[in-house]
Amino acid sequence: AQKITQTQPGMFVQEKEAVTLDCTYDTSDPSYGLFWYKQPSSGEMIFLIYQGSYDQQNATEGRYSLNFQKARKSANLVISASQLGDSAMYFCAMREGRGTGKLIFGQGTTLQVKP
Amino acid sequence: DTAVSQTPKYLVTQMGNDKSIKCEQNLGHDTMYWYKQDSKKFLKIMFSYNNKELIINETVPNRFSPKSPDKAHLNLHINSLELGDSAVYFCASSRDRVQEKLFFGSGTQLSVL
Repeated sequence: AQKITQTQPGMFVQEKEAVTLDCTYDTSDPSYGLFWYKQPSSGEMIFLIYQGSYDQQNATEGRYSLNFQKARKSANLVISASQLGDSAMYFCAMREGRGTGKLIFGQGTTLQVKP
Repeated sequence: DTAVSQTPKYLVTQMGNDKSIKCEQNLGHDTMYWYKQDSKKFLKIMFSYNNKELIINETVPNRFSPKSPDKAHLNLHINSLELGDSAVYFCASSRDRVQEKLFFGSGTQLSVL
């Protein structure tokens, strides 16, 4: 069964607008972590934001925020004030339990920011 | 200084050959990983080492053999390369096996002809 699902293969957003990238997850482990990574066309994987399952507040990192809805098992990434440099592929990932460091990745969403 | 560096960036080779990808991290991390990204951009863990000890081996063919001479290095050797091995291979590290954040290298694009 798919543990991390990103249902949007591709998204468009106008420059300076906000955009939400969807991510749902499936786990029975009470301790888990959720991540978002960005992969620009140059290929590197860039860490954006992290949310722990026990964190009370939604994570924020600059223009990135994670809309964590535990009951719905969703961890959507919100990018505010989109910039042209935000055009990239975005991956949601989950770490189950503690002690392995193993991440399970979603299929990715390609975001294109229009000028 | 690059935190996680892997070489080469591109590797083009014939089927049946043996090749290695090298990875080094200068972050003082204890845990290192190899991930494979296929042509559909799907990322999957292959191996993880913690302080030179193998802790994850994700049903990867035994043609793939990771080697960690010390905790700052994790190399990947691939024997008898097959067409299906063509992918991007990412090395990554984390402070320890519990640490949340992975730092990735820039990837090695392997093309098997």
